[in-house]
Amino acid sequence: KAGVTQTPRYLIKTRGQQVTLSCSPISGHRSVSWYQQTPGQGLQFLFEYFSETQRNKGNFPGRFSGRQFSNSRSEMNVSTLELGDSALYLCASSRMTGASTDTQYFGPGTRLTVL
Amino acid sequence: AQSVSQHNHHVILSEAASLELGCNYSYGGTVNLFWYVQYPGQHLQLLLKYFSGDPLVKGIKGFEAEFIKSKFSFNLRKPSVQWSDTAEYFCAVHNDYKLSFGAGTTVTVRA
Repeated sequence: KAGVTQTPRYLIKTRGQQVTLSCSPISGHRSVSWYQQTPGQGLQFLFEYFSETQRNKGNFPGRFSGRQFSNSRSEMNVSTLELGDSALYLCASSRMTGASTDTQYFGPGTRLTVL
Repeated sequence: AQSVSQHNHHVILSEAASLELGCNYSYGGTVNLFWYVQYPGQHLQLLLKYFSGDPLVKGIKGFEAEFIKSKFSFNLRKPSVQWSDTAEYFCAVHNDYKLSFGAGTTVTVRA
């Protein structure tokens, strides 16, 4: 079974630009979560989607947004990029069979560098 | 707000030594706990998880963890480490559709 895939793997942008990252979950997984990983702040939750609905959002400014499509694929967008947005952005998927908790499986991440 | 604390930032061991990484969480309700590992250049992988039942859980690669509810702890152990266990280890708590991670512990195993 293929794992979580994220595209692109690497991205270089300049301040003020916007960026869209893509995530394809494991086949059959319906929940997609996004995390930001930086050396200073560690792993921080961005948002979670299930059946195209955002169920939770982390403490990030409104410049960070996301969506999920009917095939469970997800995108996240960051507008007006700042230097501090440089990070590894991780996507994770889980089956969400109805249990309150399910295991999240992570993709390789997109390394975003803002110059 | 719930939080996860990992006691050690960096641990250096020799091969065959025993490893124990501490993890404490602050959350009063039912918790679901995870340990993930990130090997150099690789993505986060699940080591083991605790949802309910036996508080001693076994994971991959010889790792185990013990959930002690009274101490709000979920410590990770391995009796004998190998050079290939060099990685960063993250403890996480799942609640409200999200994982809250500890700061991570970098483990360096010297051959």
